[in-house]
Amino acid sequence: NAGVTQTPKFRVLKTGQSMTLLCAQDMNHEYMYWYRQDPGMGLRLIHYSVGEGTTAKGEVPDGYNVSRLKKQNFLLGLESAAPSQTSVYFCASSSPLAGGRTDTQYFGPGTRLTVL
Amino acid sequence: RKEVEQDPGPFNVPEGATVAFNCTYSNSASQSFFWYRQDCRKEPKLLMSVYSSGNEDGRFTAQLNRASQYISLLIRDSKLSDSATYLCVVTVSYNTDKLIFGTGTRLQVFP
Repeated sequence: NAGVTQTPKFRVLKTGQSMTLLCAQDMNHEYMYWYRQDPGMGLRLIHYSVGEGTTAKGEVPDGYNVSRLKKQNFLLGLESAAPSQTSVYFCASSSPLAGGRTDTQYFGPGTRLTVL
Repeated sequence: RKEVEQDPGPFNVPEGATVAFNCTYSNSASQSFFWYRQDCRKEPKLLMSVYSSGNEDGRFTAQLNRASQYISLLIRDSKLSDSATYLCVVTVSYNTDKLIFGTGTRLQVFP
């Protein structure tokens, strides 16, 4: 059981380049999330998905797009990278609980992205 | 005002000490509360959920004060391995899994 995995672990981009971050989970979780973590700030939600084929905006969605074509995968795309997108990106997944309660989110190891 | 506020620390304590962290949240509608632990350059991991009645897990005790809108984490008999950043996390609604994270409190336990 690998849990949540992220690809790549590190990446350096030039301004204007595009890339896709891949998140995969093998726990059959319905919900998946993308966060970014910056120094002095808490993790901030970029986009999330409550099921295959669905996505929704989080707190800081601008400059990012996502897709959830398969239940186990959640892709985060940067169409035209900017230095402000230099950050550590974490993917997470979870399952809904009965009564709408919130379950533990399991995080991937993170992707360190630098945009020059 | 941040939705979840924590003292960033660092808290430097000797092995065996007891240390407590507080966290305040601004939204009185907040429903679920958690403490996550994050080691340096690693992903956050759930340490414990926080219930209204308070809960304990070994050396760790979490408490919630809804009237004052704060939660606390008490660590007894600190170990070197407790050195990490502790993240206070809340959700606003039972019907969402969207977590709101504090910036974390850094703990350093020394021999």
